[in-house]
Amino acid sequence: EVQLVESGGGLVQPGRSLKLSCVASGFTFSNYGMNWIRQAPGKGLEWVAYISSGSSYIYYAETVKGRFTISRDNAKNTLYLQMTSLRSEDTALYYCASQTGSGGWFAYWGQGTLVTVSS
Amino acid sequence: DTVLTQSPALAVSPGERVTISCRASESVSTLMHWYQQKPGQQPTLLIYLASNLESGVPARFSGSGSGTDFTLTIDPVEADDTATYYCQQSWNDPTFGSGTKLEIK
Repeated sequence: EVQLVESGGGLVQPGRSLKLSCVASGFTFSNYGMNWIRQAPGKGLEWVAYISSGSSYIYYAETVKGRFTISRDNAKNTLYLQMTSLRSEDTALYYCASQTGSGGWFAYWGQGTLVTVSS
Repeated sequence: DTVLTQSPALAVSPGERVTISCRASESVSTLMHWYQQKPGQQPTLLIYLASNLESGVPARFSGSGSGTDFTLTIDPVEADDTATYYCQQSWNDPTFGSGTKLEIK
């Protein structure tokens, strides 16, 4: 059974940093591109970042470019999102999601970890 | 960014057929996908590449369209289909529609 388990969320002050993790199991993690997708409370879905299976290709949404860094450790089956210079508008439930091939759809999602940016 | 427009809400009775539409601001070929999100849960994939049913998803769900106009159809609708449905394009940087909240009367 595919499982994606996020952690690392919490309450953080504006301007501070936070690092999210997503541990994968039930599939060959190193073969799949991975994404972070977020959902502000009561709002829709927003793609945040993508990393290819071997970390060769990395893309960010314009709203987080220069502040967030996506990375992965295939030996540990773990995806990361380092978030710096956090703003109130970054408050959201952050999901990790696996991507199947080059088609660009998100086959599996974790349950999410909540990040709240507030003073 | 490619903007995806969905109607905000629909209400139907069990057993009926419902169509949920998604219009893209530019052509995305068939790089359109559909998700279901029930309250308090993560989204789950229903349809990929416009018309392909994800494994394990009931055949009551189907997708169609290409270019800028896409449709998710549920036939027949069941009470358990109460959820918000999102379209997502992968022609360029992924974007999602704002979601269609489906209420079962």
